[in-house]
Amino acid sequence: IAGITQAPTSQILAAGRRMTLRCTQDMRHNAMYWYRQDLGLGLRLIHYSNTAGTTGKGEVPDGYSVSRANTDDFPLTLASAVPSQTSVYFCASSEPSRGAEQFFGPGTRLTVL
Amino acid sequence: DAKTTQPPSMDCAEGRAANLPCNHSTISGNEYVYWYRQIHSQGPQYIIHGLKNNETNEMASLIITEDRKSSTLILPHATLRDTAVYYCIVRVFYGGSQGNLIFGKGTKLSVKP
Repeated sequence: IAGITQAPTSQILAAGRRMTLRCTQDMRHNAMYWYRQDLGLGLRLIHYSNTAGTTGKGEVPDGYSVSRANTDDFPLTLASAVPSQTSVYFCASSEPSRGAEQFFGPGTRLTVL
Repeated sequence: DAKTTQPPSMDCAEGRAANLPCNHSTISGNEYVYWYRQIHSQGPQYIIHGLKNNETNEMASLIITEDRKSSTLILPHATLRDTAVYYCIVRVFYGGSQGNLIFGKGTKLSVKP
């Protein structure tokens, strides 16, 4: 692994189902982020984690939860998916002491029907 | 809201320099200028950042005006693979508890043969 990986690449999901998007980084970065990108709205922060064991809410956290059990993994869970959560989801990581350079994963395209 | 203003789109001939402007008239003294780009369907990619001095790396050059109210990203020899949306972002070096990036609409650069 080099950088950030996300899984799955894409997913079609029935409304009401539970879904976990996975994100793994191998750079030992302390901070990790989840963004969603919607046409015309740009990227918006969902949740973040400054370090393992801590998480925080971003701009659009409702309907999503995260956990940070270790440095490398930062899964995003949709407890009960709704069509408005159809989006492209990007995970990112950074080492805050080195500035705001963030490394992004390839994204997960999620469609909720 | 994004604190930057960029033209929505620009064209550039392959092999020529691409000069992408960004206005950030309300930038604070401790805020840096960051540039990212997003190639279609991929995650955003860090390009370069600077505080007040001009910066150059293997990807691009960043020219910041003396009053720091505007900057220009220069791709010295644009290729077709540089076709992307380019985002100019201003923020402090260490972003505090959230540390997220606020992406505006960016400039869609089209490099033409």
